[in-house]
Order: sequence, then C-alpha cells, then structure tokens
Amino acid sequence: AQSVTQLGSHVSVSEGALVLLRCNYSSSVPPYLFWYVQYPNQGLQLLLKYTTGATLVKGINGFEAEFKKSETSFHLTKPSAHMSDAAEYFCAVSEGGGYQKVTFGIGTKLQVIP
Amino acid sequence: GAVVSQHPSWVICKSGTSVKIECRSLDFQATTMFWYRQFPKQSLMLMATSNEGSKATYEQGVEKDKFLINHASLTLSTLTVTSAHPEDSSFYICSAREDREVSPLHFGNGTRLTVT
Repeated sequence: AQSVTQLGSHVSVSEGALVLLRCNYSSSVPPYLFWYVQYPNQGLQLLLKYTTGATLVKGINGFEAEFKKSETSFHLTKPSAHMSDAAEYFCAVSEGGGYQKVTFGIGTKLQVIP
Repeated sequence: GAVVSQHPSWVICKSGTSVKIECRSLDFQATTMFWYRQFPKQSLMLMATSNEGSKATYEQGVEKDKFLINHASLTLSTLTVTSAHPEDSSFYICSAREDREVSPLHFGNGTRLTVT
C-alpha cells in the first residue's frame, strides 16, 4: 500500500523567503509523485510531477521538487515566496502510471506574511 | 491544457432530496474519472473510480446506493447524492486522467454541497 506524509499542516513564511514544504512517501514499487495546489473553494492544480528520469523536477510558478529515493522524500521548494503562493499544497503518490490510484497527503497550508 | 469542468459549483438542497453533480472532460477523452470528497481542513478522500461503460468501483466504506455514479460517455461522469442528509454536506471534487500512459489527474473546481 502507498501512503504520503506531509510534515506540518501549516507553514508560514515571509514574502521573499524560501518556501520548503515537506513530503515523505511509502510505496512498494517505484512511485510517481505529484504536488498539487488548491486555492479556496477550487479544485486542485498540478504544480509538478516526477515519474522517471531526472530527480529534480521544475514546475509552474517557480516551484521545484527533488525526488530522493534513499530518503523517500519529495520536498517542494521555491526560492522566494510571493503573496500569491498562499494556498493549500498537497503531495500525492501513485504506484506507477496508467490508471493506478492516487493517494494524497493531508495537505499543508502555506501562509505568506508581507 | 486539459480542462475538467464540474457543475454546479455550489448547491443547497433540502434533506431527503437528490442532487446530481456533473464532471466533464472538455478537450480530452477520459475512460477513467475519480470522485473525491474533501472535509474541512482535510485531504481528499477517494470515494470511487468511475469507468466508462461499466460499473464504478467504490472505496471501502462508501455507500454505492447513496452515491450513484454514471459514466455514460468518454467525457462525462455524474455523481448523484441520493436522499441527501446534512452529514453529506461537503466539498466534492472530480478528476479525470487522459487516456494515455503517465497522465496526471486533472481536477474540476469542485462542488460545495450544503444539505439543510
């Protein structure tokens, strides 16, 4: 079975500061990993994904994440936070591609302080 | 990019009535769609996997007779909450995966259901 753990349900950063949202996963097979962002009363938007190949993946809005197999981690980072980054972020894992089920973490709410 | 349209965005209904929520993939075909429920300040809980032309696969603990899913075409899945009760009030989100290998989920904007 697969699972996702997001450390920190709330993270606050100052505008311009580094954003680091932590995600650890467990999977019995090589995973596909995703980060999604959700704004209030909206669906989820894909930020980035890792499937195979390069372990550092870049996504939209300046976000990136690095797949570290030895640490079973897929932390999300952004060098400089912007006010518009305030949202809820979900890490997700899928055991392989195709139509496998996606399991979501509990989410991390990011607050950006001016 | 791939767009999933979900309708309505919000609905208020009386206890005992039924509510239908539609999920459409606008510019791609989706053999498989997924229905999630999100409680306040919680993650998404997968309710069921909707398969075009066949019965939906429900997750453990989800009442299939209460949450009816129909996936009649490659671009449309519907979720009907039957005999709704206040405890069914929630945020329901659908998602769809393009019919190709390694496709991420594309999400609708969700439906806020309030049962009075």
